Amino acid sequence: GENVEQHPSTLSVQEGDSAVIKCTYSDSASNYFPWYKQELGKRPQLIIDIRSNVGEKKDQRIAVTLNKTAKHFSLHITETQPEDSAVYFCAASQGSGYSTLTFGKGTMLLVSP
Amino acid sequence: DTGVSQDPRHKITKRGQNVTFRCDPISEHNRLYWYRQTLGQGPEFLTYFQNEAQLEKSRLLSDRFSAERPKGSFSTLEIQRTEQGDSAMYLCASSPPKDTQYFGPGTRLTVL
Repeated sequence: GENVEQHPSTLSVQEGDSAVIKCTYSDSASNYFPWYKQELGKRPQLIIDIRSNVGEKKDQRIAVTLNKTAKHFSLHITETQPEDSAVYFCAASQGSGYSTLTFGKGTMLLVSP
Repeated sequence: DTGVSQDPRHKITKRGQNVTFRCDPISEHNRLYWYRQTLGQGPEFLTYFQNEAQLEKSRLLSDRFSAERPKGSFSTLEIQRTEQGDSAMYLCASSPPKDTQYFGPGTRLTVL
């Protein structure tokens, strides 16, 4: 089955800096890669996703890149703000949401003012 | 609130008791998923429904766990003879066909 590795496990940045979180996956059949943000005690919320037919996707301060050959994808957050502090999870699946997601172990991002 | 809802939000039980959780998906979503999340880990898939049909179950799901979605709307997850290792957050998610999964707030289970 699919295995998703996520790094780093914790990331501390100063407000205004950029943050990058990286994930690798094992199953070449995976073609859908969402990122979720989870604040303490709250539900995971989708922040951005990418499908395997594109290499990059942006939404304001957030971007995701995908390298299918290397089987890795990354989340980039620019101009970080304290409210970006949360745990971020990457995930992979073989369909655009209609099959199960395999999650990474998460990255705790702390943005200091 | 038109999002995914779960009930109860918290459940404390004694080892050996049975517990049941409920998930109400977003109304037009025909796909429903159950995940389990322990501290410091990402959600782990448990089982998946398309309408009322249970299409996939994880090998993690022991025979003490059972899930139903009798009318293709809400779903229940039952754990029989709970063990301390069952303590976790149980998350439900729903999606329309071929689209993103949206998560509920979860039910936090503590087994004493």
